[in-house]
Amino acid sequence: DAKTTQPTSMDCAEGRAANLPCNHSTISGNEYVYWYRQIHSQGPQYIIHGLKNNETNEMASLIITEDRKSSTLILPHATLRDTAVYYCIASYSGGGADGLTFGKGTHLIIQP
Amino acid sequence: DTGVSQDPRHKITKRGQNVTFRCDPISEHNRLYWYRQTLGQGPEFLTYFQNEAQLEKSRLLSDRFSAERPKGSFSTLEIQRTEQGDSAMYLCASSLVLTGSSYEQYFGPGTRLTVT
Repeated sequence: DAKTTQPTSMDCAEGRAANLPCNHSTISGNEYVYWYRQIHSQGPQYIIHGLKNNETNEMASLIITEDRKSSTLILPHATLRDTAVYYCIASYSGGGADGLTFGKGTHLIIQP
Repeated sequence: DTGVSQDPRHKITKRGQNVTFRCDPISEHNRLYWYRQTLGQGPEFLTYFQNEAQLEKSRLLSDRFSAERPKGSFSTLEIQRTEQGDSAMYLCASSLVLTGSSYEQYFGPGTRLTVT
């Protein structure tokens, strides 16, 4: 799986959009970009994934650049409950023989 | 609740003892994963099952670690002769994997192991 790079931490005001960047410059053409988050002392939670096109679901939007070397996860209206560590992961399908390779992620803190 | 469940949620054991953790995946899911997470780090993949077959186990941390999924439903992770370095959160995840499709993993709440 390709290596991903994320900022260590970010702050965002409650009610504003949180934009979390991820660099994956060595991603292969058939690797998906996955986002998971982990709220303190809980198991990781799947958020969204995409291959080439932008994706949106009830939790977030995923914007992938045309060259696929970077992406941005957007939480449109952040709440205090969105405070968590967010992981950006490149994976061929969702975690086969190598599972998912988690880095250290971005610690997103939502400020009241 | 039809999510992934793990038991126990917390386990304190003395060094040298054996421990076993259980994971119950989402019922129709055919793939089950085990991960370990130490403080300040992301989860680290250990092993996975496709139905009852363990397809990858080279990433288990040592021969003291073993996992089973006897009937393709629940799974157990056993650590023999525990060491203080085994103290961590042990996470289980499950997926429904269909040929040719991407998929997501659903994680349980984890079992926190403390070895004294």
